[in-house]
Amino acid sequence: QSVLTQPPSVSGAPGQRVTISCTGSSSNIGAGYDVHWYQQLPGTAPKLLIYGNSNRPSGVPDRFSGSKSGTSASLAITGLQAEDEADYYCQSYDSSLGVFGGGTKLTVL
Amino acid sequence: QVQLQESGPGLVKPSETLSLTCTVSGGSISSYYWSWIRQPAGKGLEWIGRIYTSGSTNYNPSLKSRVTMSVDTSKNQFSLKLSSVTAADTAVYYCARAYYDFWSGYSPFDPWGQGTLVTVSS
Repeated sequence: QSVLTQPPSVSGAPGQRVTISCTGSSSNIGAGYDVHWYQQLPGTAPKLLIYGNSNRPSGVPDRFSGSKSGTSASLAITGLQAEDEADYYCQSYDSSLGVFGGGTKLTVL
Repeated sequence: QVQLQESGPGLVKPSETLSLTCTVSGGSISSYYWSWIRQPAGKGLEWIGRIYTSGSTNYNPSLKSRVTMSVDTSKNQFSLKLSSVTAADTAVYYCARAYYDFWSGYSPFDPWGQGTLVTVSS
């Protein structure tokens, strides 16, 4: 059981918009800790996608965006592309200790 | 560009101690928090713990009794020891960097090492 809850899977057709939710509690996201998002392509290490709830590292397309409200956060991907098919993880802190969501597999139809 | 590289035995016997080292290149190990994160095959990510360059540590409560982390700033390396391993400890182990900022708190994990597969089997 992961501390942060994500849907196991989402899917969308090329060009569509999908969102991935990340639900926490008052001891992690609700306590004010930032939420970060990672993209993991098959056989590779996770790569930072969104940091500080809504900021994109250099090189990440603006098709990816993040938001946070209360005890939850969301990752949105617009203009879905085939190369976006991957696993996505949210991450935050709980009492200053690292916690992850269980991961969401994005399938591009 | 900072790079991280995990190293250590790929096979550990049950009840023995798993030992891994992460070597940091392209930058200093000082003034950062260094974490170990693992991922069993087909499953999600689990934060194991972190060590600051001063040697201060924080561990995942679920693993705390079996985890020891250390840092060697002279070699730009930090290490993980996980004792009394079982098959459930079979996973890809990653090392990653984070920092702490007074205003924004703990940062995300970035960069990550490529990961190393550790199998627990007799």
